[in-house]
Amino acid sequence: AQSVTQLDSQVPVFEEAPVELRCNYSSSVSVYLFWYVQYPNQGLQLLLKYLSGSTLVKGINGFEAEFNKSQTSFHLRKPSVHISDTAEYFCAVSETGGFKTIFGAGTRLFVKA
Amino acid sequence: EAGVAQSPRYKIIEKRQSVAFWCNPISGHATLYWYQQILGQGPKLLIQFQNNGVVDDSQLPKDRFSAERLKGVDSTLKIQPAKLEDSAVYLCASSLEGRGAYEQYFGPGTRLTVT
Repeated sequence: AQSVTQLDSQVPVFEEAPVELRCNYSSSVSVYLFWYVQYPNQGLQLLLKYLSGSTLVKGINGFEAEFNKSQTSFHLRKPSVHISDTAEYFCAVSETGGFKTIFGAGTRLFVKA
Repeated sequence: EAGVAQSPRYKIIEKRQSVAFWCNPISGHATLYWYQQILGQGPKLLIQFQNNGVVDDSQLPKDRFSAERLKGVDSTLKIQPAKLEDSAVYLCASSLEGRGAYEQYFGPGTRLTVT
């Protein structure tokens, strides 16, 4: 069975600074990987996903993530954050050929002026 | 296109009472999910429907939770009787298909408080 670990529960960062949100997964088979964002009082929305091909994936709002199979990681990055990026970010994994998606516990990104 | 609709947005009940949540997925989406999101945690799948059949309900507490998706469109999740630990946000999501590669579209959620 697959699992997801988000290593940081909270990440405070100043506006215009770079940020990295870390995600590691565990699975015995090939996986699909996702990052979702949740703004206050809203549902989750997809930032980006890795299905196959290039290991560097670009998403919405200037975010990108890199799939590292040897380290079983899928870290999310943004070179310069804005106040509006303050939200909860969830890493998720599903096994290829499977039906279930497992979500991590989330990382709260807090961007300070 | 219209997003996933959920109602009510907020609900406060006393323990041992019953409650029901409603979800209308995006038109044409075959797969519908109900998740429970406890404060400070990620969403946990309760039940997944493919059209009007159940794909996975392994984490649904069946002694008190039930869900149905009649006609393969909208869905209702019920809790009866509610316990204090059921306080959470209940998220509904839908996707074109049930396989893991497909993006899930989430509704705004229903925040349940059990007192």
